[in-house]
Amino acid sequence: GEDVEQSLFLSVREGDSSVINCTYTDSSSTYLYWYKQEPGAGLQLLTYIFSNMDMKQDQRLTVLLNKKDKHLSLRIADTQTGDSAIYFCAEIPNSGYSTLTFGKGTMLLVSP
Amino acid sequence: EPEVTQTPSHQVTQMGQEVILRCVPISNHLYFYWYRQILGQKVEFLVSFYNNEISEKSEIFDDQFSVERPDGSNFTLKIRSTKLEDSAMYFCANSLAGTYEQYFGPGTRLTVT
Repeated sequence: GEDVEQSLFLSVREGDSSVINCTYTDSSSTYLYWYKQEPGAGLQLLTYIFSNMDMKQDQRLTVLLNKKDKHLSLRIADTQTGDSAIYFCAEIPNSGYSTLTFGKGTMLLVSP
Repeated sequence: EPEVTQTPSHQVTQMGQEVILRCVPISNHLYFYWYRQILGQKVEFLVSFYNNEISEKSEIFDDQFSVERPDGSNFTLKIRSTKLEDSAMYFCANSLAGTYEQYFGPGTRLTVT
């Protein structure tokens, strides 16, 4: 079955880069996503990558996909205190539908 | 970014009562989803809905749950007889046909006492 795993917690200093990692089990995953959840808020779509790509950059965000190792990462450059949130990795398995399977989320804490 | 809205933001109900959670989708985004997140656990898929019918549902989505678009715009999730274990954050999501971007609402926190 599908499973998505993430480390639970990451702490960085303001201005440093953050790297949040995710592994997934379904080798036929088509799309992989990063969502951000701030306290008391919903899930904000940050970025996503199609499985035939290995990198996508969007301003301070860089997504790297290693399909062989089934490993996805999100790099946030110049991390700010406003980036403190829970970051969810998610995938759409190649099941013919478009439902998302989520990881448990990584809490990113950015200290001044 | 397009916005999905949900009401109420928080609902407290007694076990056995019926609840209806409402979602206002983004205009022209015709794929609808409900997910839930029990405190401390993963976000889990419940059901997807397109063209006025359920496309897919998970094992969680049993006979106690139902979805509909009562007025052709809003999208609702009904739980007929709530149980304590239904306490969770319920998220509505929405996507445009032919895309894989799912936009989530802020969620409804359901507390069953």
